[in-house]
Amino acid sequence: AQKITQTQPGMFVQEKEAVTLDCTYDTSDQSYGLFWYKQPSSGEMIFLIYQGSYDEQNATEGRYSLNFQKARKSANLVISASQLGDSAMYFCAMREHNAGNMLTFGGGTRLMVKP
Amino acid sequence: KAGVTQTPRYLIKTRGQQVTLSCSPISGHRSVSWYQQTPGQGLQFLFEYFSETQRNKGNFPGRFSGRQFSNSRSEMNVSTLELGDSALYLCASSPQRSEQFFGPGTRLTVL
Repeated sequence: AQKITQTQPGMFVQEKEAVTLDCTYDTSDQSYGLFWYKQPSSGEMIFLIYQGSYDEQNATEGRYSLNFQKARKSANLVISASQLGDSAMYFCAMREHNAGNMLTFGGGTRLMVKP
Repeated sequence: KAGVTQTPRYLIKTRGQQVTLSCSPISGHRSVSWYQQTPGQGLQFLFEYFSETQRNKGNFPGRFSGRQFSNSRSEMNVSTLELGDSALYLCASSPQRSEQFFGPGTRLTVL
């Protein structure tokens, strides 16, 4: 079974609008972490935001926020006020408690920001 | 602080050859992980090294190996290259169990 599922292969958003990228996960661990990374066409993975399974508040980092719904096992990324430079691939990833630093990634969502 | 560096950035090899990729983590980071990214399989974990010990290994054949040196620099080796090994190989470093910082990757093409 897929551990991380990103159901939107591609999305368009108008510049300055908000966009939500979906991520659902599957784990039997009680302790885990969820990450979002951005990968521009250059290939480098850029860390955006982190949410721990025991964190009660949704994580926020500037224009990025994570809508964490533990019971539904979802960790959606919200980007507010989209910019042209936000056009990239976005990956959701999970680190389980007993897996060291091993990240399991979803298939990614390609976001395209329209001017 | 300098970021994660990977060398070489691009590499072309032929089937049957072997290749060694290098990763220098951020200063002070003791954990180094390697990932393979292909269009078909996406991002897959290869292995993680922490203080010179392999802490985790992904589901890859024994042709893929790695090591970490006392200065935390890491190398991965792929022997007897196959066409399917063509990929972007990403290295990530982390101080402990926290967010991982990725390097720019090495793009390997096997002909």
